[in-house]
Amino acid sequence: GAVVSQHPSWVICKSGTSVKIECRSLDFQATTMFWYRQFPKQSLMLMATSNEGSKATYEQGVEKDKFLINHASLTLSTLTVTSAHPEDSSFYICSANPPAGRVAKNIQYFGAGTRLSVL
Amino acid sequence: EDKVVQSPLSLVVHEGDTVTLNCSYEVTNFRSLLWYKQEKKAPTFLFMLTSSGIEKKSGRLSSILDKKELFSILNITATQTGDSAIYLCAVEAAGDKLIFGTGTRLQVFP
Repeated sequence: GAVVSQHPSWVICKSGTSVKIECRSLDFQATTMFWYRQFPKQSLMLMATSNEGSKATYEQGVEKDKFLINHASLTLSTLTVTSAHPEDSSFYICSANPPAGRVAKNIQYFGAGTRLSVL
Repeated sequence: EDKVVQSPLSLVVHEGDTVTLNCSYEVTNFRSLLWYKQEKKAPTFLFMLTSSGIEKKSGRLSSILDKKELFSILNITATQTGDSAIYLCAVEAAGDKLIFGTGTRLQVFP
């Protein structure tokens, strides 16, 4: 398999503050990473595709100014929730595809997720 | 609009039972179908299916894809309490994007 690390695992913040979540591919390089959001008892909803060295691609309905994505290197993507509000409270998960040959192509490996609680 | 539908939404069984989880899809530019198991945090990969009619097997779990009828099933035989989890079906579409179903919550009681 492949390892994707996500940090922090849990964050509590006050309304109006910004929160940064990191996603790292530990043993492979990832030109593309994905950010998902999961509400309780619901499935994963793709928010955006993070592209190393270029702008992220956001899914319809996701505010790019609200959820800032930076893919600074081949092993790190960050998601910043700006001016967080209680309705942003959710479980955020990232994933990455190892390169072909490492594992079967196009299998996404997931980080452990970050539970965000905005007070 | 691309969509992936899983059924049942929830399933409660006793240890030793066999369960079948269903996943149907309508996705343009289908590439593959994947099954994941999610316990408390990150989904963990189970199977990737790309061809119709070829069963993939791992221990007590098996899965098969029907690309004509646009569905897949995940079977778990002789269930154990450790199988309790949410099972997610996802279809890979263009741009390496995964479209997830709502998941099936399986609870296995002793």
